Amino acid sequence: ETGVTQTPRHLVMGMTNKKSLKCEQHLGHNAMYWYKQSAKKPLELMFVYNFKEQTENNSVPSRFSPECPNSSHLFLHLHTLQPEDSALYLCASSQYNYGYTFGSGTRLTVV
Amino acid sequence: RKEVEQDPGPFNVPEGATVAFNCTYSNSASQSFFWYRQDCRKEPKLLMSVYSSGNEDGRFTAQLNRASQYISLLIRDSKLSDSATYLCVVWTGNQFYFGTGTSLTVIP
Repeated sequence: ETGVTQTPRHLVMGMTNKKSLKCEQHLGHNAMYWYKQSAKKPLELMFVYNFKEQTENNSVPSRFSPECPNSSHLFLHLHTLQPEDSALYLCASSQYNYGYTFGSGTRLTVV
Repeated sequence: RKEVEQDPGPFNVPEGATVAFNCTYSNSASQSFFWYRQDCRKEPKLLMSVYSSGNEDGRFTAQLNRASQYISLLIRDSKLSDSATYLCVVWTGNQFYFGTGTSLTVIP
């Protein structure tokens, strides 16, 4: 499989649930990213990992917890989310200044 | 000041029209530039890189003006399928920065 793969594609969760989003890249890239995109809104950068070290946390609430066990895998752990956290969550990877590639996203609904 | 700024639009143009988008960036040391396209409810995808001398890919032409710190995208002979949001992206040497996107709707 090639590119950036995100699972699940769709997720509905209650406010008391704990779930995780998974991202895997098969491109040999050194950086991985989490973005949030609410309906009809621009991309919001959440987290950046370079060589599996977190280099940016864009003031994201602690109910979102990223994990990067290696350069190819990135997780976003979710707990006690709010309805306003419903959005499209996009993972991306890049290799320095080229190859910025997005996954297809996880469409999250918090009920 | 934002790193990358775009006119959000929306741009509504008839089929066959020529439309141009501009994007300005604040870091004069920015090194690489790209245009991405995002369809509704889908992920952004690379449309084209922007080279210093300007470059063309079919109906799409990208230009870079380093002196004025802006990049542009020109779409000729617009098709209905060009309707999307167009994002400009800048690599500063440390990080990628995305514009908020310009919405284009091509009308029959």
